[in-house]
Amino acid sequence: GAGVSQSPSNKVTEKGKDVELRCDPISGHTALYWYRQSLGQGLEFLIYFQGNSAPDKSGLPSDRFSAERTGGSVSTLTIQRTQQEDSAVYLCASSIRVNTEAFFGQGTRLTVV
Amino acid sequence: KQEVTQIPAALSVPEGENLVLNCSFTDSAIYNLQWFRQDPGKGLTSLLLIQSSQREQTSGRLNASLDKSSGRSTLYIAASQPGDSATYLCAVNLRGSARQLTFGSGTQLTVLP
Repeated sequence: GAGVSQSPSNKVTEKGKDVELRCDPISGHTALYWYRQSLGQGLEFLIYFQGNSAPDKSGLPSDRFSAERTGGSVSTLTIQRTQQEDSAVYLCASSIRVNTEAFFGQGTRLTVV
Repeated sequence: KQEVTQIPAALSVPEGENLVLNCSFTDSAIYNLQWFRQDPGKGLTSLLLIQSSQREQTSGRLNASLDKSSGRSTLYIAASQPGDSATYLCAVNLRGSARQLTFGSGTQLTVLP
């Protein structure tokens, strides 16, 4: 596609439920990143994928968070047993390779009630 | 740990004015620095990317400079317009890190018609 696509754009879920957020990067981009932006907070790094290498999961806040990237393209961020503090905008970005210009999607606004 | 600071946190100017947004970072061992804008409820739009070996980059009315030794970057906006109103974020890509971008907290710009 023309840009990074994320779905859904908005998600409201009940506390304790699992959610899946999807990111479709720009075609041909080998690097993919997930960030979280909480109200009044800066952007927080979550996880990074580069090609077929093992992902860098150093930013995941707890073991309730996981992500995968299938076939080097689409990525899914899964949050299990959601908590209210998980409410935030989850942003995905891709770049043609590591350390090059990053392009962001429009984000998924997650609200846990 | 890399820290990125943006000053001022908010800025309001009349239309037509030239303005400068500031970004400082604590660790000068960077690959590059990227400026983004974020409109309310939207994702991030990449504005300019400056490699560590470069001093400045220009795109239209925007000019970004980089002084790596002093840990500073500026974003200059010429002849500001109401459509420039947004939050501007700078992010550094640190050498030897987890290939992640470290973001500042942003400057919220309002250009008054």
